[in-house]
Amino acid sequence: KAGVTQTPRYLIKTRGQQVTLSCSPISGHRSVSWYQQTPGQGLQFLFEYFSETQRNKGNFPGRFSGRQFSNSRSEMNVSTLELGDSALYLCASSLLSLAGGKETQYFGPGTRLLVL
Amino acid sequence: GESVGLHLPTLSVQEGDNSIINCAYSNSASDYFIWYKQESGKGPQFIIDIRSNMDKRQGQRVTVLLNKTVKHLSLQIAATQPGDSAVYFCAENVMEYGNKLVFGAGTILRVKS
Repeated sequence: KAGVTQTPRYLIKTRGQQVTLSCSPISGHRSVSWYQQTPGQGLQFLFEYFSETQRNKGNFPGRFSGRQFSNSRSEMNVSTLELGDSALYLCASSLLSLAGGKETQYFGPGTRLLVL
Repeated sequence: GESVGLHLPTLSVQEGDNSIINCAYSNSASDYFIWYKQESGKGPQFIIDIRSNMDKRQGQRVTVLLNKTVKHLSLQIAATQPGDSAVYFCAENVMEYGNKLVFGAGTILRVKS
């Protein structure tokens, strides 16, 4: 079974630009979460989507947004990029049982974003 | 606010020895805990998980121990191998927060041959 895939793997942008990152979850997985990883702050939760709805949101400014499509694929967008947005952006998917039990999150390889 | 660089603790072990990586979690309401391994240039890889109604769980060469009294989690790796060299993260989850994981800072494991 193919794992979580993320595109692109590497990206260079300049301040003020916007960027869209894509994530394809493991087949059958319906929940997609996004995380930002930086040397300074570690791994931080951005948001989670399930059935095309945002279920949870982390403590990030409104410049960070996301969405999920009917096939569970997800995108996240960062507008008006700042130097501090340089990070590894990770996507994780999980099956999410309807009983609400905990489901393991499996991570993709990430997209490395560099803002100049 | 201004960010402060994380200084990750490092554990150096000899190949074949057992490793113990510790983690203190923050939320007493957390009811699900996971250990991830992250190698350079890759995303975190699931190792093992444990729910709050357990205090020990074993996998292949790995054991996770949970002490809810002191909010402490540990990962034991038996017969550590060079391929175990990576950064290890513990993560906690609260059911009411859905799938939001709160990660620890991480521990670097270096295996000497």
